[in-house]
Amino acid sequence: DGGITQSPKYLFRKEGQNVTLSCEQNLNHDAMYWYRQDPGQGLRLIYYSQIVNDFQKGDIAEGYSVSREKKESFPLTVTSAQKNPTAFYLCASSIRPQGNSPLHFGNGTRLTVT
Amino acid sequence: AQSVTQPDIHITVSEGASLELRCNYSYGATPYLFWYVQSPGQGLQLLLKYFSGDTLVQGIKGFEAEFKRSQSSFNLRKPSVHWSDAAEYFCAVDHGSGNTGKLIFGQGTTLQVKP
Repeated sequence: DGGITQSPKYLFRKEGQNVTLSCEQNLNHDAMYWYRQDPGQGLRLIYYSQIVNDFQKGDIAEGYSVSREKKESFPLTVTSAQKNPTAFYLCASSIRPQGNSPLHFGNGTRLTVT
Repeated sequence: AQSVTQPDIHITVSEGASLELRCNYSYGATPYLFWYVQSPGQGLQLLLKYFSGDTLVQGIKGFEAEFKRSQSSFNLRKPSVHWSDAAEYFCAVDHGSGNTGKLIFGQGTTLQVKP
């Protein structure tokens, strides 16, 4: 079955370390997105990519970086510059980067930084 | 700027009772609207969407939603709630910034179902 795979499900890091979250999709979707979820705040967009080798900052990009070298992969790096990195991170994709293309979500990675 | 408001943070209903979750949006034109559901520790699943046409849309799991332009609302309804419907529900609207596919999400409503 096609879908989005995020790994690992749980991730623990020490403060000051960079960490990379994996997101792979086999849906052949053009667009991919990273959202951050905090209790009571809904989902906030970190980065998005409309096509391979291109990506754009979302609403809360500071302290994060991404790459899109392959259509199926969109890894997110949480750098030591991110002041409050502990959160639930969700990767999503859509068949095309248009408002009427529903998002398909992975099952998320819960990152804890101490 | 576009925005989405879900006025109810937490709702509790009895199993078998009807449900309505509220969603209000701010948008300059006819929006693309979505409802998603999230079980604890999981990703989001699309329940239904509205793009145009009939203002009453049907979704999965027996849910429906009605788009009311005059009230800038897109409320989610279900006639009879099942215990398995307990989850968090998110309303979302297209960001409106051209062909990006970005969505703006509400803060979510947590549904608890009493036996």
